[in-house]
Amino acid sequence: DADVTQTPRNRITKTGKRIMLECSQTKGHDRMYWYRQDPGLGLRLIYYSFDVKDINKGEISDGYSVSRQAQAKFSLSLESAIPNQTALYFCATSGTERETQYFGPGTRLLVL
Amino acid sequence: SQELEQSPQSLIVQEGKNLTINCTSSKTLYGLYWYKQKYGEGLIFLMMLQKGGEEKSHEKITAKLDEKKQQSSLHITASQPSHAGIYLCGADLTDSWGKLQFGAGTQVVVTP
Repeated sequence: DADVTQTPRNRITKTGKRIMLECSQTKGHDRMYWYRQDPGLGLRLIYYSFDVKDINKGEISDGYSVSRQAQAKFSLSLESAIPNQTALYFCATSGTERETQYFGPGTRLLVL
Repeated sequence: SQELEQSPQSLIVQEGKNLTINCTSSKTLYGLYWYKQKYGEGLIFLMMLQKGGEEKSHEKITAKLDEKKQQSSLHITASQPSHAGIYLCGADLTDSWGKLQFGAGTQVVVTP
């Protein structure tokens, strides 16, 4: 079984809709991250959490919110989706600041 | 803005030939991570470098971090079809904690 899972894997939604992307991990890591990937721009950090009570904005947090329900679960919400939020979204986890981040398989989101 | 520059953006290499990808920063790289991504899929961790002059190898892939810790290279020897994909470098650009900046990626195509 995968250590970092994301649901859904693909989602099509309409402008203005609220949508939630979920991430679960079985690695026992405290740190979790949400990124989006756009062609030619690499990965950009949306939000990150170093433990259940710690939530921080990343480079591009506007239009997004997160919830850390437990050590193993970190959800990303788009309150009112817009077309330029169409992207590939990745969740990642890490154990310590110098340990590599482990990525989930990604969620492909299309906002019409 | 891209704090990490990857070059080239893409390359086509004949099977059996060598290739090199570079990742350059204007800031000190406190940790440098190489990942591989197959189109539309998650990131697979390849190697992590921390010390200036460090070099690591795994199978036919070698990664180096220069002495000044501002540039890393990824070299693939005798490329195979399985080496095709997008290679991304991620870096710790601060000495305090593990928020990674990513390069835009290098797409590698291996032809027969």
